[in-house]
Amino acid sequence: DQQVKQNSPSLSVQEGRISILNCDYTNSMFDYFLWYKKYPAEGPTFLISISSIKDKNEDGRFTVFLNKSAKHLSLHIVPSQPGDSAVYFCAASAWANKFGQGTRLTINP
Amino acid sequence: NAGVTQTPKFQVLKTGQSMTLQCAQDMNHNSMYWYRQDPGMGLRLIYYSASEGTTDKGEVPNGYNVSRLNKREFSLRLESAAPSQTSVYFCASSGRTGDGYTFGSGTRLTVV
Repeated sequence: DQQVKQNSPSLSVQEGRISILNCDYTNSMFDYFLWYKKYPAEGPTFLISISSIKDKNEDGRFTVFLNKSAKHLSLHIVPSQPGDSAVYFCAASAWANKFGQGTRLTINP
Repeated sequence: NAGVTQTPKFQVLKTGQSMTLQCAQDMNHNSMYWYRQDPGMGLRLIYYSASEGTTDKGEVPNGYNVSRLNKREFSLRLESAAPSQTSVYFCASSGRTGDGYTFGSGTRLTVV
C-alpha cells in the first residue's frame, strides 16, 4: 500500500527559477509531514516539516504547503540553486516516517 | 559531532550467510530506525525502536532481526541472507515526535 506518493520521478528547473515538488498521501491520521534531501552515496538530510494543523511553513528559500482536503503537500524552492540538485523525499509521520518514492531535481545553469 | 554512525559501509555476502549491521548515535535520541532503499521504492521501514528496551516491526521485517543494545546502539541482523536483501540500508534516529530524522551514511549490501 503506497500511502505516500511522489508521482514525478524527475524534475528539471532553470537556476534562479522556482522548483515545486509534489506529494500525495492517503492516510488522514498522519500528524506531521516532512521533506528530506538526498545526495548520492549519502544518507537523507532533513529539510523542513509541517504539522497537520498548519497549512504553510517557511524556512529561508524553502516553503512547504499542506492541503489537507486534497491530501497533498508541496515543497517550493525559491530561487533554485545548482546545489539544490538532489533527490527529494517527502515523508508522513504517524509512529514512524513513511516515505514517498523520491523526485530527482536537476537545476540547470 | 558524529551524529549517526553506521558500519560497515559496504558488504558482499553469499546467499545463506549472516551478518550484523551496526548503528550508533550520539545525540541522546530516544527513537531509532532501520530503513532499506531500493530503486523506485523510496525508503521502507524494516524495524524501529521507540525507546531503549522496545522494538517493533515496520513495513518489511521478514528476514531481519534487531537489537536495541542501549540508548545509543541499534543493530540489524540478517540471519540467512537472500539476494532479495540486496539493498542500501540506512539507520536513523530522532528525538521528539515530528522532529526530522538524522540518518547515517548507509550500508550498501550485495547478496550473491
